[in-house]
Amino acid sequence: AQTVTQSQPEMSVQEAETVTLSCTYDTSESDYYLFWYKQPPSRQMILVIRQEAYKQQNATENRFSVNFQKAAKSFSLKISDSQLGDAAMYFCAYRSNINNAGNMLTFGGGTRLMVKP
Amino acid sequence: DSGVTQTPKHLITATGQRVTLRCSPRSGDLSVYWYQQSLDQGLQFLIQYYNGEERAKGNILERFSAQQFPDLHSELNLSSLELGDSALYFCASRGGYTGELFFGEGSRLTVL
Repeated sequence: AQTVTQSQPEMSVQEAETVTLSCTYDTSESDYYLFWYKQPPSRQMILVIRQEAYKQQNATENRFSVNFQKAAKSFSLKISDSQLGDAAMYFCAYRSNINNAGNMLTFGGGTRLMVKP
Repeated sequence: DSGVTQTPKHLITATGQRVTLRCSPRSGDLSVYWYQQSLDQGLQFLIQYYNGEERAKGNILERFSAQQFPDLHSELNLSSLELGDSALYFCASRGGYTGELFFGEGSRLTVL
């Protein structure tokens, strides 16, 4: 079974600065997707960014970018120009792309990001 | 708005009782996933349905059951409730070829 590990329970960043959240995963598969979800205090789960394992280019969405290291099974999220609204729990998630039962997302334990004004 | 609708948003009940949580997926999505999030924990996969059929099962207790109806809405039934069942229960539906999940706002269950 795949596992996802987020080793940083909490991180803090100064407003306008850059922060990187870490995620590692364990899998024997070669075809999969990785995601970062944000959960603000409202508890809504919001997709931040996705990465397809077969793409070598790192995904970018505005101020959010990833550093995907397939061999190292690492998938970190970089938030540039941090804003107060970025304060939230961030979850890394894995999804197999093998056409079998389920294809559910497996989540890491989360990283709580605090943004200091 | 993700397009996934969950009811009720909040539910308070007593130990030993039974509750039903309801989910309507996004229009056109055939898959429904249920997740449980206990206080300050990650999301634990419970069960998935695809077009009315159970597709995958995770760490779902025997006291819990689910089904997906012909109109594609799903219900999660929780019975013989215990204090430890207090949690946020999310429903999600899968969209797009990349298969990201779109989550509802969750149903917060408190068992007293």
